[in-house]
Amino acid sequence: NAGVTQTPKFQVLKTGQSMTLQCAQDMNHEYMSWYRQDPGMGLRLIHYSVGAGITDQGEVPNGYNVSRSTTEDFPLRLLSAAPSQTSVYFCASSYSGSESGTEAFFGQGTRLTVV
Amino acid sequence: GNSVTQMEGPVTLSEEAFLTINCTYTATGYPSLFWYVQYPGEGLQLLLKATKADDKGSNKGFEATYRKETTSFHLEKGSVQVSDSAVYFCALRSGSRLTFGEGTQLTVNP
Repeated sequence: NAGVTQTPKFQVLKTGQSMTLQCAQDMNHEYMSWYRQDPGMGLRLIHYSVGAGITDQGEVPNGYNVSRSTTEDFPLRLLSAAPSQTSVYFCASSYSGSESGTEAFFGQGTRLTVV
Repeated sequence: GNSVTQMEGPVTLSEEAFLTINCTYTATGYPSLFWYVQYPGEGLQLLLKATKADDKGSNKGFEATYRKETTSFHLEKGSVQVSDSAVYFCALRSGSRLTFGEGTQLTVNP
C-alpha cells in the first residue's frame, strides 16, 4: 500500500523562486491537509481540503496556495520562496475531516531549505 | 482556540526505564485525543487514541487515559526499549482540525 506519497523528499530553493510540493493518496480519503514542522512548534496547519474542489486556510496560510482538482492529489505551491519557509512539510489525509477518532495518515515529509 | 501542551524535552532514559510524557489540552466541546510517533526520517504515525472521557488507548506497550477533569492525556510505558527512540506528539481533533503539541524527543540508551 502506497498510502500518502510526497515528492520531492528534499529541495533547496533560492529566495524568490517558486515550486510545488506534490502529495498523492491512494486511500480514497476526502480530507487532505498540509502541515509545516518547525523545531519547538509542533505541526502547524497550512491549508486543508474536505473534498475535490474545496480548500480552506489553516493556521499559517500566507505564502502558500493549494488546489484540489481530484480526490487523490493535493499540491502545495510556494509562490515566491522566503527563508522563513525553510521547514519540513507534511501532507496528511483521512477518510473524514470531522468524525470523532478519525486517524490521519502522513507522508514521509519534504525537507525544504530556502537560501 | 484549541491548544495542546507537552512536557519539555528532550527526554533521555535507559532501557527498561519507566516513561511518562505529559500532555494537557485546552478545547471546547469533546475532542478526540491522539498520540503520534515520528521515527527518524519518517512521517508521523498513529500510536494510540481515545475518543471520550475515561477511555484508555493502548498500543505497543504504551498507554494513555483521557482525563477530562484534568484535561490531560499523559503517555506512559512501563519498560522502554532502544527502538522506542523517536519524537512523540500529542494531538487533539475537534471538528475538522488536528491540533498538535510541540513534540517530545525521546532517546533510549542501551
